[in-house]
Parts: sequence; C-alpha cells; structure tokens
Amino acid sequence: QQQVKQSPQSLIVQKGGISIINCAYENTAFDYFPWYQQFPGKGPALLIAIRPDVSEKKEGRFTISFNKSAKQFSLHIMDSQPGDSATYFCAASWRDMRFGAGTRLTVKP
Amino acid sequence: DVKVTQSSRYLVKRTGEKVFLECVQDMDHENMFWYRQDPGLGLRLIYFSYDVKMKEKGDIPEGYSVSREKKERFSLILESASTNQTSMYLCASSPGTGGGQPQHFGDGTRLSIL
Repeated sequence: QQQVKQSPQSLIVQKGGISIINCAYENTAFDYFPWYQQFPGKGPALLIAIRPDVSEKKEGRFTISFNKSAKQFSLHIMDSQPGDSATYFCAASWRDMRFGAGTRLTVKP
Repeated sequence: DVKVTQSSRYLVKRTGEKVFLECVQDMDHENMFWYRQDPGLGLRLIYFSYDVKMKEKGDIPEGYSVSREKKERFSLILESASTNQTSMYLCASSPGTGGGQPQHFGDGTRLSIL
C-alpha cells in the first residue's frame, strides 16, 4: 500500500515562476519529512526536511509547508531556475522511510 | 560529507545468475537500506539493517536477500536473477539515533537482467 502519495507526476514551470509539489501521508507515527532532489545518473540528495512540530521551514528558495492535521506537506520552489529541473521525491520516516512516486520538474528558460 | 559508494554503476547479468550488489558507507552509520527505483513507482524498500548481522524485510523482499557482516558494508543478493529485477538499485545509510533521520544515497547500480 502506498503510504506517501505525491502529485503531480510532472510539472512544467517558466523560469522565475513558483513550483509546487504536494504530498500526503497516512501513518501518524512518521516524525521526519524530507524532500529529495535527483538529477539523471545520480542518487537522490537531501534538499530540505521538516519535523511535525513546525508548520513551515525555509532554506533559500525552497520552503516546506506542513499541515499535521491534514497529514499533508508541500514543497515550494520560488524563482524557479532551469538548474532546478530534476525529479523531486517527498518522503516520510519514522525508523524506515517511505517515498512518494516522484515529480519530474522542468523549468523552461 | 557522507559518502555511500556502490561498487558498480552498470551491471548486465543473465537470468538465473546469482548477483551481488555491494554498498559501503564511510560515516559509521548504524542503519543501511536497499531500494529499487522504477519509473512512476518511486523508491521501494527491499531490505534494511539497523546493526551488523541484523536485517529486516522491506516492502518488496521477494527474490532478494542481504548480508551485513561489517558495519560499513551492506550487500544485496539476487538469489536467481529474473528479468523483472531489471531496475535501478539504490543503497542508503543513516545514523542510528531515535526517530526519522536523513538518509544518504549512493549513485545507484543500473542492473539489466537478460
């Protein structure tokens, strides 16, 4: 069963626009919610993460919004750049980690 | 920086062969994980280990086994390779403190079973 649902599957954004990717989880035991960025030929790399005691975390152009009651969280990429074009995975973890299916982001110049 | 090294980037094997995928981490992490990545399915957990000689099944363990004889090394074994095991395999490690922790990934092994 899919414990983390991610949408959309693919996203095309113009340079300078905002990219938004959404995730929903089921298991309330999860206590760590990371986002990973993956470029072709490379493994996923940790981008930003949040724990459920805060509702938002910002690092540069990347922000996680977290809604504990709705069991949802999202990644916002402000001022999206062509170099942000990659596949993004949300995940939820307690001891092991469960991943969403991924979103392929394309930022057009 | 944490480094997770997977021994092969590309591997081609034949149906029925026994296949070994090796993974080494250099940060003294307690936890190690094996995933397979397929388009549209994300990363699916095959096996994980919280300590030397310990292993636990993930979501898709059928057809796989693992070995962890040393803390830094975690091996994935395909007992009798089949074409449906053609995939990208990713190894990861994380520290062993309580609760969820960031996982650090290798660059993957793309395995083709002919």
